[in-house]
Amino acid sequence: EVQLLESWGGLVQPGGSLRLSCAASGFAFSIYGMSWVRQAPGKGLEWVSSISGGLTRTTKHADSVKGRITISRDNSKNTVYLQMNSLRAEDTAIYYCAALEGEGDCSTGTCYVHEFFRHWGQGTLVSVSS
Amino acid sequence: DIQMTQSPSTVSASVGDRVTITCRASQSVGRWLAWYQQKPGMAPRVLIYKASTLESGVPSRFSGSGSGTEFALTISSLQPDDFATYYCQHYDSSSPWTFGQGTKVEIK
Repeated sequence: EVQLLESWGGLVQPGGSLRLSCAASGFAFSIYGMSWVRQAPGKGLEWVSSISGGLTRTTKHADSVKGRITISRDNSKNTVYLQMNSLRAEDTAIYYCAALEGEGDCSTGTCYVHEFFRHWGQGTLVSVSS
Repeated sequence: DIQMTQSPSTVSASVGDRVTITCRASQSVGRWLAWYQQKPGMAPRVLIYKASTLESGVPSRFSGSGSGTEFALTISSLQPDDFATYYCQHYDSSSPWTFGQGTKVEIK
């Protein structure tokens, strides 16, 4: 059974930093891409950041967090991390860790891997407030 | 970025009703479209991916259709466990992942 367990978030002052972790089990962690998706109170879902599996560890970030957030992974610990700096009130949200499932497609002449969020953690609340 | 627009925002329905939620993408995403269900206080879970492929363990009353820019999620006979919020999401890798704003299915 796939399990994703996020660390406790908590309360952070504006401008502060926080590192979230997500421990994975039940699947071959190292070969799968991982992502963070957040949900502000009473709002919809917003993709935040992702890191590819395998050797490349390519990272992507949403424009709303670019320059302030770093995603990384430690395959020896089956864990993905989200380092958040210069936090703002608008970063207040539940942060979900998600494992990606992908399919390759070369029909356009260029090959892409299209990935969706197949498995989700239970989420952890990050509150940014003074 | 590709914008995803769901309609309606809220559906009021009764047990046994057929419910359809639509999702429109601002540009073609092929069939790279997933649907998620989220209940209050819980994480989302995937119901359908690649527009119409049912995730393992998801009841067959859920179905997905569409391609390009127009998609739909249909619940053929609404059950008490189906009252939740539903999100579409494109995963065309040429553009950042984006979700629709959500559709709440509530009891009529």
